[in-house]
Amino acid sequence: DGGITQSPKYLFRKEGQNVTLSCEQNLNHDAMYWYRQDPGQGLRLIYYSQIVNDFQKGDIAEGYSVSREKKESFPLTVTSAQKNPTAFYLCASRQRQLGADTGELFFGEGSRLTVL
Amino acid sequence: GIQVEQSPPDLILQEGANSTLRCNFSDSVNNLQWFHQNPWGQLINLFYIPSGTKQNGRLSATTVATERYSLLYISSSQTTDSGVYFCAVGVWFNFNKFYFGSGTKLNVKP
Repeated sequence: DGGITQSPKYLFRKEGQNVTLSCEQNLNHDAMYWYRQDPGQGLRLIYYSQIVNDFQKGDIAEGYSVSREKKESFPLTVTSAQKNPTAFYLCASRQRQLGADTGELFFGEGSRLTVL
Repeated sequence: GIQVEQSPPDLILQEGANSTLRCNFSDSVNNLQWFHQNPWGQLINLFYIPSGTKQNGRLSATTVATERYSLLYISSSQTTDSGVYFCAVGVWFNFNKFYFGSGTKLNVKP
């Protein structure tokens, strides 16, 4: 089945450690995204990538890093510089569209990170 | 950026009741989606509806782009409809940025 796979679903880390969250999609989508969700809140954009080897900062990129070496993969590293890393992280993808239409966004199941 | 406001923020229904959720946005958009976030956190696509009306079973949605709002209708609600409903909009000048509302938290009681 086509979809977006995030791993791990749950992750516990000690303060000061870097952690990497995996996001893999087999939808052949060009654009991929990382969002952060805090309890009771909406989604905030961390990073996005339109094509391989290109990515842009979103609204809350500080303390995070990404790479896009393959079309299907967009891993997110939460570094020790991120002050409040405990959150729910969602990866999404979208097929780029020509013209004004922006294409439908699809999400993975999310990764819940807790920093102790 | 675009402001997206959803109302009401919280809604409690008895099973079988109908409801209307609203999404207002502050500027012209080219993409509007409704999502349902289930209790496990997954975001499920409900509608991709930049304009017009769509229906899917007990759910339907209408977007009036010229007036900058969208409505999500839930009829004969069921307990499985509980969760948070998000509206997200995309804009022509930045195809890669989607703006999310804060969501409507729905609790359907048996």
